[in-house]
Amino acid sequence: QQPVQSPQAVILREGEDAVINCSSSKALYSVHWYRQKHGEAPVFLMILLKGGEQKGHDKISASFNEKKQQSSLYLTASQLSYSGTYFCGTEIGTDKLIFGTGTRLQVFP
Amino acid sequence: SAVISQKPSRDICQRGTSLTIQCQVDSQVTMMFWYRQQPGQSLTLIATANQGSEATYESGFVIDKFPISRPNLTFSTLTVSNMSPEDSSIYLCSVEPPGFGAGGPDEQFFGPGTRLTVL
Repeated sequence: QQPVQSPQAVILREGEDAVINCSSSKALYSVHWYRQKHGEAPVFLMILLKGGEQKGHDKISASFNEKKQQSSLYLTASQLSYSGTYFCGTEIGTDKLIFGTGTRLQVFP
Repeated sequence: SAVISQKPSRDICQRGTSLTIQCQVDSQVTMMFWYRQQPGQSLTLIATANQGSEATYESGFVIDKFPISRPNLTFSTLTVSNMSPEDSSIYLCSVEPPGFGAGGPDEQFFGPGTRLTVL
């Protein structure tokens, strides 16, 4: 039931791009994306809703393929501040989220 | 937005004892969520706490082990009872403030977490 993310880890140089994928075995109605820096709380990035509506971050984009039950997060021209672990979250009930397996992203100068 | 504080920030406890974690929000919220995050792992939802009703627990979590109180719209506690080393984890509370956004699912705000070590 837990969404599976790929890749598990990514290492980038500043300015490079990355794509993080989130795949669910269940039908998706919305997908949330969060970033968690080491020792800190997760911070909201974006919500993608069924039907194509997005709410969230201006500098990070994402896609939502309802048929394939997948979402992808696109990080372009990465900055050092992008380092952290990224989690997708899918709704399992009213406002309840189940978080994906996580993708650890490290950006080096 | 919502600002959430948790107490304690960390604790080291002996097996067999209990620890109560407090979560305070700076605004009134209907639902509060409690998560567990084991080192290097994802977040796992323990339960949903609504003010004025019993908490709803997810599969694998029971009230006897993780009793939750929700006395008002800004506060909740999670107790980890009869602890064992397997309970060593970070415990986080989160909220989805009402009226944030134009309806539908919205972002959750997380507290800083309580890092628990059980010896």
